[in-house]
Amino acid sequence: DQQVKQNSPSLSVQEGRISILNCDYTNSMFDYFLWYKKYPAEGPTFLISISSIKDKNEDGRFTVFLNKSAKHLSLHIVPSQPGDSAVYFCAAHPGSNYQLIWGAGTKLIIKP
Amino acid sequence: SAVISQKPSRDICQRGTSLTIQCQVDSQVTMMFWYRQQPGQSLTLIATANQGSEATYESGFVIDKFPISRPNLTFSTLTVSNMSPEDSSIYLCSVANVTEQYFGPGTRLTVT
Repeated sequence: DQQVKQNSPSLSVQEGRISILNCDYTNSMFDYFLWYKKYPAEGPTFLISISSIKDKNEDGRFTVFLNKSAKHLSLHIVPSQPGDSAVYFCAAHPGSNYQLIWGAGTKLIIKP
Repeated sequence: SAVISQKPSRDICQRGTSLTIQCQVDSQVTMMFWYRQQPGQSLTLIATANQGSEATYESGFVIDKFPISRPNLTFSTLTVSNMSPEDSSIYLCSVANVTEQYFGPGTRLTVT
């Protein structure tokens, strides 16, 4: 049973426009959510996170929104740049230990 | 943050052989994990590497196949034993604090 779902395997966005990556979860006990970016042949890099007590967190071009009632979060990248082309993973912290629950990832392609 | 290095970065191995992957962290960490990312799939947790005791394996992973050592708080090894082509994957070492998790660059393993 997938507790964290990223339903779009890939997303293509024009350079300069907004990229929106979505993530849904099933467990209301998750207390922390994280987004990671992964380039081919590299380990995931932490991007931005949000606590379950907040509904928005912003860091430069990256903003994460959390809708707890819908069990949905999204990552907004504005403006999108070619270097943003990567696979983005959504992950949830279950609260009881350090192990993250991962989504399947969304491949973001930024077109020039 | 933590700086994590892995050796080797990649290897091509014959079936039936074993490979040991090393993970070195630049600071003492409590939680260390080993993940696998098979082609086209998300990250899958193999085990938690416990310092001074046996690793804790996730469902579907066993010690005979993936023996793990963790002699101190900055170092761990993962061995992939009796390899088959299905073991071809990227293997990632990871460390965590309460709310963030960091990953090594990964070891790309190809089994022929």
